[in-house]
Amino acid sequence: DIQMTQSPSSVSASVGDRVTISCRASQGISTWLDWYQQKPGKAPKLLISATSGLQGGVPSRFSGSRSGTDFTLTISSLRPEDFATYYCQQTDSFPLTFGGGTKVEIK
Amino acid sequence: QVQLVQSGAEVKKPGASVKVSCRASGYTFTSFYIHWVRQAPGQGLEWLGVIYPDGGGTDYAQRFQGRISMTSDTSTSTVYMDLRSLTADDTAIYFCARAWQTPHSDLDYWGQGTLVTVSS
Repeated sequence: DIQMTQSPSSVSASVGDRVTISCRASQGISTWLDWYQQKPGKAPKLLISATSGLQGGVPSRFSGSRSGTDFTLTISSLRPEDFATYYCQQTDSFPLTFGGGTKVEIK
Repeated sequence: QVQLVQSGAEVKKPGASVKVSCRASGYTFTSFYIHWVRQAPGQGLEWLGVIYPDGGGTDYAQRFQGRISMTSDTSTSTVYMDLRSLTADDTAIYFCARAWQTPHSDLDYWGQGTLVTVSS
């Protein structure tokens, strides 16, 4: 199985801050990496597909990038509605696997 | 609009089985896969498997092989996930999510989740 290692597990930030979340795959997955946002009591919401494909309706302050097997989600200027938990997920092969999550908290 | 509506919360005893349903609407049911993902209390996301509604083929995560089944009813656009021999470790919210019938497809719409509690 492909292991997805996500870091940090939590980050405290203020509105307006730039936040970066990292995700490393245990083997090559090309660009097959998605990012989800989950708020308490809700289902995950797809933000970015295939490393950098922003989903419709997702603000442009969210972006994704890749370097080899390392992937990054960047929130350029944190808004109040962005406080949530973020997960990466590889779609290269079954079983689909997720990172452990990063909780973005208010500083 | 696309909707995945799941059945209500369940409380089961250890050793029992649970069957969770996921009814799809707003799109062509047989054109998308349905995946199942669960989340234990305060924990991350875990993939259980996928069903291909058009034909009923399935792929299950290895650790659930032998005690999980996924079926589909195209007449009602509903997918079912059946998990047997429950233990306390199966206590979780179970989500269904759809994905295009292409390799590497994303989980673009999710159900609201079904809480399954396993307790004696």
